[in-house]
Amino acid sequence: KAGVTQTPRYLIKTRGQQVTLSCSPISGHRSVSWYQQTPGQGLQFLFEYFSETQRNKGNFPGRFSGRQFSNSRSEMNVSTLELGDSALYLCASSFPGGEAGYTFGSGTRLTVV
Amino acid sequence: GDSVTQMEGPVTLSEEAFLTINCTYTATGYPSLFWYVQYPGEGLQLLLKATKADDKGSNKGFEATYRKETTSFHLEKGSVQVSDSAVYFCALSDQGTYKYIFGTGTRLKVLA
Repeated sequence: KAGVTQTPRYLIKTRGQQVTLSCSPISGHRSVSWYQQTPGQGLQFLFEYFSETQRNKGNFPGRFSGRQFSNSRSEMNVSTLELGDSALYLCASSFPGGEAGYTFGSGTRLTVV
Repeated sequence: GDSVTQMEGPVTLSEEAFLTINCTYTATGYPSLFWYVQYPGEGLQLLLKATKADDKGSNKGFEATYRKETTSFHLEKGSVQVSDSAVYFCALSDQGTYKYIFGTGTRLKVLA
């Protein structure tokens, strides 16, 4: 079966711009989570969506937002980009409880210049 | 709150050496426990899991046993290969809050 698909794979943006990243989960997975990964901070949880509702949220500023559509696809948006937003953004999908584990996408590498 | 603590890396081993990466957790309930692996330039991949005390997860020669009494889930492999070089993450899934907690990751480097 198809894996978790994240688009685009690479992105270069200028400070102050906004960006939208997309994630298509594995068929049947209704939970989608987003993570930011940087060398300095490691893997940090952004938010998790289930059935179009945000169920959990990490400690990120309001510039980071997300949503989930009825087909479980998810998008995350970062507004007013800062240099420190440069990171690998990972999406993971799972069955609702997460007890079977996550399936991760390959990530979107965002560079802010 | 729930947390996962992993040993600091990097861990450098020679090929065919024995590997242990320590992981301990704190949780109020009875979480499921996981190990993930991340190869350069890729996302994380589920390596193995255990859902209850005394369960042993295994995959590709890696093993980890869910030890409730010591709140640990240490990753082991009897003979590592150069291809095992990657970053390994320990994680727990809290069934009550649906929160997923990752450790900071441990980089493994295996030398030929």
